[in-house]
Amino acid sequence: DTGVSQDPRHKITKRGQNVTFRCDPISEHNRLYWYRQTLGQGPEFLTYFQNEAQLEKSRLLSDRFSAERPKGSFSTLEIQRTEQGDSAMYLCAIGTDNYGYTFGSGTRLTVV
Amino acid sequence: AQSVTQLDSHVSVSEGTPVLLRCNYSSSYSPSLFWYVQHPNKGLQLLLKYTSAATLVKGINGFEAEFKKSETSFHLTKPSAHMSDAAEYFCVVNPDNYGQNFVFGPGTRLSVLP
Repeated sequence: DTGVSQDPRHKITKRGQNVTFRCDPISEHNRLYWYRQTLGQGPEFLTYFQNEAQLEKSRLLSDRFSAERPKGSFSTLEIQRTEQGDSAMYLCAIGTDNYGYTFGSGTRLTVV
Repeated sequence: AQSVTQLDSHVSVSEGTPVLLRCNYSSSYSPSLFWYVQHPNKGLQLLLKYTSAATLVKGINGFEAEFKKSETSFHLTKPSAHMSDAAEYFCVVNPDNYGQNFVFGPGTRLSVLP
């Protein structure tokens, strides 16, 4: 148990379909982050929430991507019209910049 | 721009011998630095962190790292490798302590031979 639950663990989808991932921190935390990790690479920042406000988005986050955190607790990440290049591990994290993040186990997306 | 360089993509050691995983960073400010470990099919786990206190930082599982500002380095070491240490290790920088996201290095895969 990492303190951050992500659902689903694995998702296989056909190109062009929409997918949604969910992140549930076990305890309340102001900051929530989404990262993407492709095979053989380190995680890359996608977006960040302070409570329910989305404060920063990476240029990696194209307009096909949208993230929400409606009540400042759980968060969802949706990808519309998926492409094969979207295949990756999507990681959610909570924490602070100085003290480190707690990551969930991730959702592995495969677009076929 | 802030960046992290991990000089070795793969390190292989024998069980019981020392481990050295190298990391260099570039940052305009005094950064916070971290090492994370990722075991196969597992989530990222924080090993240790440097946040401008003692330059020699001790982490979990016998790992430690030393912050050397003059060399812009934050190398990870362990005196004696264990088979369970085999994993991917990421050096991470929070570039200016006011930014809102981490910058990960590309990772170093550690193999431990019996």
